[in-house]
Amino acid sequence: AQTVTQSQPEMSVQEAETVTLSCTYDTSESNYYLFWYKQPPSRQMILVIRQEAYKQQNATENRFSVNFQKAAKSFSLKISDSQLGDTAMYFCAPPLANAGGTSYGKLTFGQGTILTVHP
Amino acid sequence: DTGVSQNPRHKITKRGQNVTFRCDPISEHNRLYWYRQTLGQGPEFLTYFQNEAQLEKSRLLSDRFSAERPKGSFSTLEIQRTEQGDSAMYLCASSLVPIYEQFFGPGTRLTVL
Repeated sequence: AQTVTQSQPEMSVQEAETVTLSCTYDTSESNYYLFWYKQPPSRQMILVIRQEAYKQQNATENRFSVNFQKAAKSFSLKISDSQLGDTAMYFCAPPLANAGGTSYGKLTFGQGTILTVHP
Repeated sequence: DTGVSQNPRHKITKRGQNVTFRCDPISEHNRLYWYRQTLGQGPEFLTYFQNEAQLEKSRLLSDRFSAERPKGSFSTLEIQRTEQGDSAMYLCASSLVPIYEQFFGPGTRLTVL
């Protein structure tokens, strides 16, 4: 069975500081995208950043960046200059592949990390 | 608003009743996914459509669940003879290309009494 592990159930950070959320996963797919989504309290899931697995360069989106280690199947999210609006639950989402090794776009989500940014 | 919409946002029902949820994806998106999310957990895949064709159903989707996307636009998810264990947030997402990012709707929160 494919697994996604987010080993930090909760994290907290002071405003303007940097925080890193970890994620390890297991997939049989060979060419895929990985995503980090955030879900603010009582609000809908929104995309934070995506990484194309065939690219060696780590993705960056403003204050958000990833450290993608394909061989290790590790996909961590770094948030720089944390803001109060970053408070949310963060989900790592690699593909959910069938037995044949293709996800057809289905995602599998980790348990999530609740991030609280304090003023 | 051109995002994914879901209706109703909240549904409270008694055990044994049938419920139906609707999802309207982003108009040009041909992929539509349904997920279920319980409190404090990540979403779990239920089923997905490519246009009007339902291509896969998760083992989580028992026979009491049925989903349709009749004209390749909006989709409905019906749960028959609801059980308390069906209480969850039901999320819909759409994408233009399968491996690209999915855009999520606000979800329908179902409470079965």
